[in-house]
Amino acid sequence: GQQLNQSPQSMFIQEGEDVSMNCTSSSIFNTWLWYKQEPGEGPVLLIALYKAGELTSNGRLTAQFGITRKDSFLNISASIPSDVGIYFCAGQLRKSGGGADGLTFGKGTHLIIQP
Amino acid sequence: DSGVTQTPKHLITATGQRVTLRCSPRSGDLSVYWYQQSLDQGLQFLIQYYNGEERAKGNILERFSAQQFPDLHSELNLSSLELGDSALYFCASSVGTGVYYEQYFGPGTRLTVT
Repeated sequence: GQQLNQSPQSMFIQEGEDVSMNCTSSSIFNTWLWYKQEPGEGPVLLIALYKAGELTSNGRLTAQFGITRKDSFLNISASIPSDVGIYFCAGQLRKSGGGADGLTFGKGTHLIIQP
Repeated sequence: DSGVTQTPKHLITATGQRVTLRCSPRSGDLSVYWYQQSLDQGLQFLIQYYNGEERAKGNILERFSAQQFPDLHSELNLSSLELGDSALYFCASSVGTGVYYEQYFGPGTRLTVT
């Protein structure tokens, strides 16, 4: 099946720094999404991208749907302590005949903010 | 709070047993998805139901089955449990089925098989 390569695996940053993470795939997706997961909780949707080349912001978060439809990145500006968590990219593919497959997830980027 | 509820929060059982996990979607959502999260495999899609019908299947084992009831809640049944089935199981819901419908995740059920 399809696999998403998400990098970096972990990031150790200082509060106030900008963060960048990305996801690549060997095949295309119709939708790219970014989720954040904190310990003991389910993934929370941050940004959804539906069109190749689309750039979308949600507060300090900005994400882009790659023009080839095989990649996406997420940037976080001016990080704060509550940004700590695991960030997942996910792709979704339209099925022939309608509907869609379930989400395919990357392995996650652990964001750790050093005091 | 996503509006998706899952019960129980934790479940501990023995190998060979059978368990049922329950999910109630957000109000108004017709689609329910089940995912498994483990340390080695990450988050993996299992199965999707839309308005009571199975719509998509992922890496779901034959020992696992699911259904969606007329009130739209869904149950995931796991049987002949093995140690490797220990994982977090998430339910997600969306309004419709397709790539333009965002999925919202519940808090998960942590299954421990001993």
